Amino acid sequence: ETGVTQTPRHLVMGMTNKKSLKCEQHLGHNAMYWYKQSAKKPLELMFVYSLEERVENNSVPSRFSPECPNSSHLFLHLHTLQPEDSALYLCASSQGYSENEQYFGPGTRLTVT
Amino acid sequence: KNEVEQSPQNLTAQEGEFITINCSYSVGISALHWLQQHPGGGIVSLFMLSSGKKKHGRLIATINIQEKHSSLHITASHPRDSAVYICAVRSGSNYKLTFGKGTLLTVNP
Repeated sequence: ETGVTQTPRHLVMGMTNKKSLKCEQHLGHNAMYWYKQSAKKPLELMFVYSLEERVENNSVPSRFSPECPNSSHLFLHLHTLQPEDSALYLCASSQGYSENEQYFGPGTRLTVT
Repeated sequence: KNEVEQSPQNLTAQEGEFITINCSYSVGISALHWLQQHPGGGIVSLFMLSSGKKKHGRLIATINIQEKHSSLHITASHPRDSAVYICAVRSGSNYKLTFGKGTLLTVNP
C-alpha cells in the first residue's frame, strides 16, 4: 500500500464508450502523474499536474483528457479509444515535481474492444 | 534524450542465489531509481540514489557515475522476489523520468 489508490482496477470498454479513471493520493503530495505502460515497452509519461495545474502534456491524443480538481485527486477521461490504447495506466504522486521520489498506484488495466 | 538499457531482460534463479541486474544510461543524470513491479501492476520504489551504494534488507543498489552504470543486487533470493525490476533515471532537476524496459526475475523454490 503506497498511499495512492486507483479505480477501477480493471476496465473493458468499447471504442464508442466514455469512461473515466480515478486516482487518489493520501500522502499530502502536490504533484500527480499519469503514465501508460504497454506490453514490452517502457513506462511513458502522459500528463503531469503540479498544484492542480497541468505542466506536461506529452503529445497525448485528445481522446485522453485529464482533470485535476484538487491536489489529492486526478482523473483520466477516456472517449473513442482505439484497441492500441489497451494498456496499464498508472497514477503517481510526489511532493513537488522536481527531484522527489514518485509513489505509484496499483494501476488500471484497460482493454479496448 | 537519455537512453536506459537494462540487462538481462529475463532472469531465472533458484531460491538462495545471488542476483544482479544491470542498468546503463547514456547521458549524465541527477538521480537513478530502482523500482519493483509485481504481477498485477503496482510499482514500488526500492531505491533512489545519485552516488555510491544503498542497502535495504537483502537488496543492495550501487551506482558508478563515471561509467554511467548501476546494479541492483539481491542476496539470498526468494520466490517472493519474483517481479519486474525497472531502472529509471532523472536528468537535471525536473520531474521527467526515463525508464528502462525492465528485467523479469523469476525465483524458483
